[in-house]
Amino acid sequence: KQEVTQIPAALSVPEGENLVLNCSFTDSAIYNLQWFRQDPGKGLTSLLLIQSSQREQTSGRLNASLDKSSGRSTLYIAASQPGDSATYLCADTYAGNNRKLIWGLGTSLAVNP
Amino acid sequence: ETGVTQSPTHLIKTRGQQVTLRCSSQSGHNTVSWYQQALGQGPQFIFQYYREEENGRGNFPPRFSGLQFPNYSSELNVNALELDDSALYLCASSLALAGADTQYFGPGTRLTVL
Repeated sequence: KQEVTQIPAALSVPEGENLVLNCSFTDSAIYNLQWFRQDPGKGLTSLLLIQSSQREQTSGRLNASLDKSSGRSTLYIAASQPGDSATYLCADTYAGNNRKLIWGLGTSLAVNP
Repeated sequence: ETGVTQSPTHLIKTRGQQVTLRCSSQSGHNTVSWYQQALGQGPQFIFQYYREEENGRGNFPPRFSGLQFPNYSSELNVNALELDDSALYLCASSLALAGADTQYFGPGTRLTVL
C-alpha cells in the first residue's frame, strides 16, 4: 500500500529565507509526483509535476527534485515571501491503482514579514 | 485559474438528505477525478471518470456515485448524508495521455452536514 508522508507538518520562517519541504513515499512504482499549493479554504493549485524518469523540475523560485530509489521528493523555495504562506501538498500518481493520486497531509508554511 | 469550475461553492444540508455537486472540466480534458478533503487532511480519492465510464474508485460507500457527460462535465451525488460527509469536495480534470497526468483542480465545494 502506497503511503505519502510530509515533513515538517508546519514551518514558520522569516521572509527571504530559502527553505526545503520534504515528501517521502513507500512504493517507488509511481508515474509521477506533483507538488500543490492550497490556500486556506481554497482548492489546489498544481505547482510542479515531475515524471518518474525525471530528477527535477523548476518554476521560478520553486525547484522540485525526485529520487525514486530512496522514495523522496523535495520542494525548494528560494527567497521566501509572505505570499508563499499556504499549505503545500505532495501527491504521487501510483502505478498500482488506476493512476490515482496518493496524497500527503501537507506542510503548513508561514512566511513572516 | 485552471479553467475547472465547480458549483455550488458552499452548501448546507441535513443528515439523510441527498446532494449533487457539479464540475466543468478544463477544455479538452476527458478525465475527471473527485476528491474529498476533510479539515486538516489531505484529499482522499473518491472516483475517476474517463470518457463517461467510471475508471477507478477509492474506499467510499456506494451512496457516493457519479456521472460524466458527453461534454466531460461531471456530477458527484451523495445519498443519505452523514455528519462525516462534511468536507471540501474537489474535482480535477486531466487529459489521459501516457506521461501526462497533471491534474487541474477546481476551487471546491464546501459541504456542511448538520
